[in-house]
Amino acid sequence: QSALTQPASVSGSPGQTITLPCTGTSSDVGGYNYVSWYQQHPGKAPKLLIYEVSYRPSGVSNRFSGSKSGNTASLTISGLQADDEGDYYCSSFTSSHTGVFGTGTKVTVL
Amino acid sequence: EEQLVESGGGLVQPGGSLRLSCAASGFTFSSYWMHWVRQAPGKGLVWVSRITGDGSGATYADSVKGRFTISRDNAKNTLYLEMNSLSAEDTAVYYCARDLHLWRRDVWGKGTTVIVSS
Repeated sequence: QSALTQPASVSGSPGQTITLPCTGTSSDVGGYNYVSWYQQHPGKAPKLLIYEVSYRPSGVSNRFSGSKSGNTASLTISGLQADDEGDYYCSSFTSSHTGVFGTGTKVTVL
Repeated sequence: EEQLVESGGGLVQPGGSLRLSCAASGFTFSSYWMHWVRQAPGKGLVWVSRITGDGSGATYADSVKGRFTISRDNAKNTLYLEMNSLSAEDTAVYYCARDLHLWRRDVWGKGTTVIVSS
């Protein structure tokens, strides 16, 4: 149950588009479409942004989008805003019927 | 409003035990799988365990298997996490989360803090 791999940090200027990768294996990300993404602000609970690779819950901005290719899932944030600063985690179901999160990416808006 | 409220955290000595609770309101608790997720200070999210809606099935992370037990009382709309043989590595904020469908965790509590220290 190794954590999925995410870059430690990604930054961008307001209005820019950034992409956050999340790399796993064929036993998790690559094997199932149960990949979800969560945003977490300091001291707060995580918030669901994307589920089943590319679906957005009601109320989540369409600036957030998800995709997957092979063992790597990606979260794209377009029109970057100051409030997008925070930590982002991917998560996947695994072949062991357990869950796993990514190592997390800190997004900084310059 | 759908809400989850964790409780039961605190300071416990190494080797000790603790039981966390998660009270659910605003939705039909028994219809949903539930998860526990933890976050050590300054670290990332780590999945701990999940349980089916009727409580008949549960899975655990390797790091807690054999030490932690997840359970639920649907009559009381409450989820539990029984934690035994605690070590410093279990120090974390523990969150409960609702699984809307297929590992889509859409409602989260604010967390309860567990500190394992002598």
